Amino acid sequence: AQKVTQAQTEISVVEKEDVTLDCVYETRDTTYYLFWYKQPPSGELVFLIRRNSFDEQNEISGRYSWNFQKSTSSFNFTITASQVVDSAVYFCALRDSNYQLIWGAGTKLIIKP
Amino acid sequence: GAGVSQSPSNKVTEKGKDVELRCDPISGHTALYWYRQSLGQGLEFLIYFQGNSAPDKSGLPSDRFSAERTGGSVSTLTIQRTQQEDSAVYLCASSLALVSGRGTDTQYFGPGTRLTVL
Repeated sequence: AQKVTQAQTEISVVEKEDVTLDCVYETRDTTYYLFWYKQPPSGELVFLIRRNSFDEQNEISGRYSWNFQKSTSSFNFTITASQVVDSAVYFCALRDSNYQLIWGAGTKLIIKP
Repeated sequence: GAGVSQSPSNKVTEKGKDVELRCDPISGHTALYWYRQSLGQGLEFLIYFQGNSAPDKSGLPSDRFSAERTGGSVSTLTIQRTQQEDSAVYLCASSLALVSGRGTDTQYFGPGTRLTVL
């Protein structure tokens, strides 16, 4: 069965610290897709990244970076030099042969000034 | 371009009443999805549409829930005889296509409708 686990319920750091959000997934499919979304206090889900299972190249976008490791079934998200505006709930999601996204429970990130 | 829009943004209703929630997807997006998010929880998948067709309705919580999509565009989620446990934020998303191909399956979300059943 498909499953996404975000073990960190809440993380609190001081501004400018680096922070990593963990995501571990389970699927029997060999082709699948992983996503990260951000949900700020306003509530609207914002798409951050999509990664397919046959592309293990890590990606960096500004202060955001993603580390995809098939060997450990993980797709972790790191924010470098965090800012208060990064405070949000972050969701990891998996899509395999089905058309729905399987979501993790989310990690609430609090960045203190 | 315009994103996914949903209406109303907030809906307060009395237990037992019917409600209709509307979703207007991004223009040209053929796939549309409905999710439910209860307070402080993750997302629960409800149903998806490819065009006007909903091949899998097994995610709907009960037979009080139904959804339709007309003209390959606007979708309506209807909840009949609402119950207090239906209170949640109902999120709609759309994607360019249902299948994956250079990210065409990436889902973009609307702001949601917050439903409160008294």
